[in-house]
Amino acid sequence: AQSVTQPDIHITVSEGASLELRCNYSYGATPYLFWYVQSPGQGLQLLLKYFSGDTLVQGIKGFEAEFKRSQSSFNLRKPSVHWSDAAEYFCAVGERGNKLVFGAGTILRVKS
Amino acid sequence: ETGVTQSPTHLIKTRGQQVTLRCSSQSGHNTVSWYQQALGQGPQFIFQYYREEENGRGNFPPRFSGLQFPNYSSELNVNALELDDSALYLCASSRDRAVEQYFGPGTRLTVT
Repeated sequence: AQSVTQPDIHITVSEGASLELRCNYSYGATPYLFWYVQSPGQGLQLLLKYFSGDTLVQGIKGFEAEFKRSQSSFNLRKPSVHWSDAAEYFCAVGERGNKLVFGAGTILRVKS
Repeated sequence: ETGVTQSPTHLIKTRGQQVTLRCSSQSGHNTVSWYQQALGQGPQFIFQYYREEENGRGNFPPRFSGLQFPNYSSELNVNALELDDSALYLCASSRDRAVEQYFGPGTRLTVT
């Protein structure tokens, strides 16, 4: 069965500092991988996705993620965090015609 | 392009009652998936509808049921509400069961 692990429940970074959120997945074949962001009380917004090809993918709001098959990881990065990036971030794995399986999320706090 | 919309925004029900939540899919999307997000957790897949037929179901009891209409909008019905049903219910739409799904803002259900 597919599963997603986000090892960090909370992360706090200073505004302007770099960010890396970790995601590990368990899936038999090449996975479809996603990062979503959720502001308090809101739905999920798609940040970026990986289906195939270049293992470094760019998303919205200056985010990027790198797929590493050998490590079963799909970590999310941003070079310089803004206060508006404070939110909860979810990594997900899925396949066509099927469900998305989400991690438990990482809450990002940004300190000024 | 109109995004995914959900109604109502918030709902308070009593244990044992029944509830219906509604979702309008994004323009051009014919697939709707429903997820339950309990407080502090990632979304959990309930079921998916494609062309008015159920196309996959998660580990939820039969008292969770759904419908999809010819215009691809959808309903989630929950009978015999339990306290543990309190959660944010998210609807997501996609094109032809594509794994890339776009989420609505959610309906916050509180069962007392």
